[in-house]
Amino acid sequence: IVLTQSPGTLSLSPGERATLSCRASQILTSTYLAWYQQRPGQVPRLLIYGASRRATGIPDRFSGSGSGTDFTLAISRLEPEDFAVYYCQQYGSSPPTFGGGTKVEIK
Amino acid sequence: QLQLQESGPGLVKPSETLSLTCTVSGFSISSYNYLWAWIRQPPGKGLEWIGSVSYSGNTYYTPSLQSRVTISLDTSKNHVSLKLSSVTAADTAVYYCGRRTQDSSGYYYVDYWGRGTLVTVSS
Repeated sequence: IVLTQSPGTLSLSPGERATLSCRASQILTSTYLAWYQQRPGQVPRLLIYGASRRATGIPDRFSGSGSGTDFTLAISRLEPEDFAVYYCQQYGSSPPTFGGGTKVEIK
Repeated sequence: QLQLQESGPGLVKPSETLSLTCTVSGFSISSYNYLWAWIRQPPGKGLEWIGSVSYSGNTYYTPSLQSRVTISLDTSKNHVSLKLSSVTAADTAVYYCGRRTQDSSGYYYVDYWGRGTLVTVSS
């Protein structure tokens, strides 16, 4: 399954809302979609699994939604530490695959 | 507290075999219903799935690497190992190990990642 993330880069200011898209080439028959954040020079961090479940310790400004082929990660109010690259991943169809990433940069 | 630490040579010659170890602390790799994964990231690029091994030793590899990859568990040392043979420059990447946990629908996502180790393939 190919995951296409858009936009490639999102330029926003702190405090603004970010909306990231992840589109699958085939229908995901269940909500086996995760989102990861990777800050520069750091390890990917799990934000969302099951399309909409926040991982432990993740602030509630992060939310995931979607089903089928279209999924969204929303960040309600960008904090300085949120400027990073975000990857979606489907983990229910073998092999698991990642999207190409969306970079959220400071405008 | 669960920690994963990758280790191994940082430089491997073309055509040789890359061998990495993921040392897991604070958690038993033979714990029921957990899987262990290897993922890599070429410099400046995105994430690529390599493969996974279950607590019972069952493996699954991504098709593009299947002929060259072996992932195994060493329960006596609580290690997860990765071997990638016949490497080329295209295998230069940061290699991560991760733990896979089951969600409520029965699918396994990566919830913990190691710090990663950079492996460069060059003569």
